Amino acid sequence: ETGVTQSPTHLIKTRGQQVTLRCSSQSGHNTVSWYQQALGQGPQFIFQYYREEENGRGNFPPRFSGLQFPNYSSELNVNALELDDSALYLCASSKAIQGEVTDTQYFGPGTRLTVL
Amino acid sequence: AQTVTQSQPEMSVQEAETVTLSCTYDTSENNYYLFWYKQPPSRQMILVIRQEAYKQQNATENRFSVNFQKAAKSFSLKISDSQLGDTAMYFCAFMKYNAGNMLTFGGGTRLMVKP
Repeated sequence: ETGVTQSPTHLIKTRGQQVTLRCSSQSGHNTVSWYQQALGQGPQFIFQYYREEENGRGNFPPRFSGLQFPNYSSELNVNALELDDSALYLCASSKAIQGEVTDTQYFGPGTRLTVL
Repeated sequence: AQTVTQSQPEMSVQEAETVTLSCTYDTSENNYYLFWYKQPPSRQMILVIRQEAYKQQNATENRFSVNFQKAAKSFSLKISDSQLGDTAMYFCAFMKYNAGNMLTFGGGTRLMVKP
């Protein structure tokens, strides 16, 4: 069974740039959630994708957007990067039936984004 | 909105001893899930234990057990026979039932197991 994978591991960008982070879900999982974890804090929910559509969103501005592909992998896109976007971005996958989670979320190792 | 509070930013324990991490939460929901996740220096968030609110019996997973007090909205984690590999950040998390899979995390407790 393949676990959740994320790429890249580390990324450095400058303020105002755009970034794309990628996530491959665990085998058999159809739902992907993204979280932002600032240094020394707990993760905060950004959004969730199910059946290639956004299926829940946290308190993040529209410049945070995402995609889910037919193979259930996902991308997180952040436009107009700000210094406060520096964080660890975690992807989690789970199995849902009709949009409702039936299983625990399993996390990837994260992408460390630094905005200068 | 739900909130999760972990009042112990840092804790330490001697190897082979027992330690308890505290978590309280605030919600008006009756059906929900509670989790403890471990995040070692490798950064990967690993599920430690899960509790469904409708179950009165406390969950256990080998050396890990919880004390779930629904009325008090308390969900503590007990680690028995602590091992050096237990050194990590521990996060308590809440998830509403039938509301997608949005996890609300606490601020974390840094646990150091000393030899």
